[in-house]
Amino acid sequence: DIPVTQSPSSLSASVGDRVTITCRASQSISNSLNWFQQKPGKAPKLLIYAASSLQSGVPSRFSGSGSGTHFSLSISSLQPEDFATYYCQQTYSAPSMSFGQGTKLEIK
Amino acid sequence: QLQLQESGPGLVKPSETLSLTCAVSGDFISSISYYWGWIRQPPGKGLEWLGSLYYSGNTYFNPSLKGRVSISEDTSKKQISLKLRSVIAADTAIYYCARAYCPNAVCQTAYIDYWGEGTLVTVSS
Repeated sequence: DIPVTQSPSSLSASVGDRVTITCRASQSISNSLNWFQQKPGKAPKLLIYAASSLQSGVPSRFSGSGSGTHFSLSISSLQPEDFATYYCQQTYSAPSMSFGQGTKLEIK
Repeated sequence: QLQLQESGPGLVKPSETLSLTCAVSGDFISSISYYWGWIRQPPGKGLEWLGSLYYSGNTYFNPSLKGRVSISEDTSKKQISLKLRSVIAADTAIYYCARAYCPNAVCQTAYIDYWGEGTLVTVSS
């Protein structure tokens, strides 16, 4: 098992702000890190895979970076629909996997 | 396009076995490029991986579940099943089935491309 630690656990921001969420793995996981967005009552939605690849249909204001143990998800200009909970996920140990604890992004 | 639909009892008594089925609509492909997983989310909390089933039939489970979980597939029915034994109140959660895609058959770079809508299971007497 490879734990991943996400921070912060919650974040308040305004429409138009740039925000960054980080995820740290307990050991090097190369680029085996994905990011999901989850809205209340819905299943998670894939935003970024392989640390920095944008999933088809996801707005370009979302971007991911990092490798090894340190990763980040950035949203360049927050839109009202971006207020949600975000999770990182490592699949380096696939078919096992693990998720970060989540970051709840709220409107300031 | 794939659709996953979880089903099973919404209420399970403590110490009993939770049994869920995931029905797959669309191409149920058994190959080295995919694997199936079960993930749960307690109310108001984060996502927890329970286990995975790879095309070879091999299964992998979260050690925290201490051997209580099993996953199987019925390819003729296009179903993936989850069993969680000796449930307790802390097992109350929304249970999701999911498919992970392994680009170029490299599962270390896998990502979940399909999720079911989830089903809430409450453990209570």
